[in-house]
Amino acid sequence: DAGVIQSPRHEVTEMGQEVTLRCKPISGHNSLFWYRQTMMRGLELLIYFNNNVPIDDSGMPEDRFSAKMPNASFSTLKIQPSEPRDSAVYFCASSPLAGPTGELFFGEGSRLTVL
Amino acid sequence: DAKTTQPPSMDCAEGRAANLPCNHSTISGNEYVYWYRQIHSQGPQYIIHGLKNNETNEMASLIITEDRKSSTLILPHATLRDTAVYYCIVRPRDDMRFGAGTRLTVKP
Repeated sequence: DAGVIQSPRHEVTEMGQEVTLRCKPISGHNSLFWYRQTMMRGLELLIYFNNNVPIDDSGMPEDRFSAKMPNASFSTLKIQPSEPRDSAVYFCASSPLAGPTGELFFGEGSRLTVL
Repeated sequence: DAKTTQPPSMDCAEGRAANLPCNHSTISGNEYVYWYRQIHSQGPQYIIHGLKNNETNEMASLIITEDRKSSTLILPHATLRDTAVYYCIVRPRDDMRFGAGTRLTVKP
């Protein structure tokens, strides 16, 4: 079985450019999470979806960040315009259950560098 | 609003049991205890979870105290590949926020 698939694995861009990160959750999973990891702030939850609906986006740092889940098999995290402080590893995770016993399956991450 | 407290780092000798503690004194009755680990720059990996009973799987054992205010993750025979950051999370499943974790170093 394929796990959570993220793309691109690495992205280097210049300040001001738009960045789009993509995630394909495991088939059949109905919850999807976006995290950001930096040395300073650790692993931060940005937003999560249940059944394609955003449930909590309180972790999204500011209006430059947006996330969508148009269907059960695809999600995007967009940064526009990007800034150097957005440099981080962005992880997507999916979960098979909506109840309290679900476990998260993480992708390999997208390493973003904004120059 | 950290709900768990873990030591920042621990060492363990290869082949010995690694016991990683976690304090969660404000845990609610419906909250589970989850453990994940992150090896180097990989995505976190689920290890085990429990509500109030002790749990064991092929990776580890989870011991939860009777009052549920603390727990211990046990890796029975640590190997060098178990060197990682271990996260203890106490949350409703839909709010999986990670703290700083414990950096476990397994030494030969």
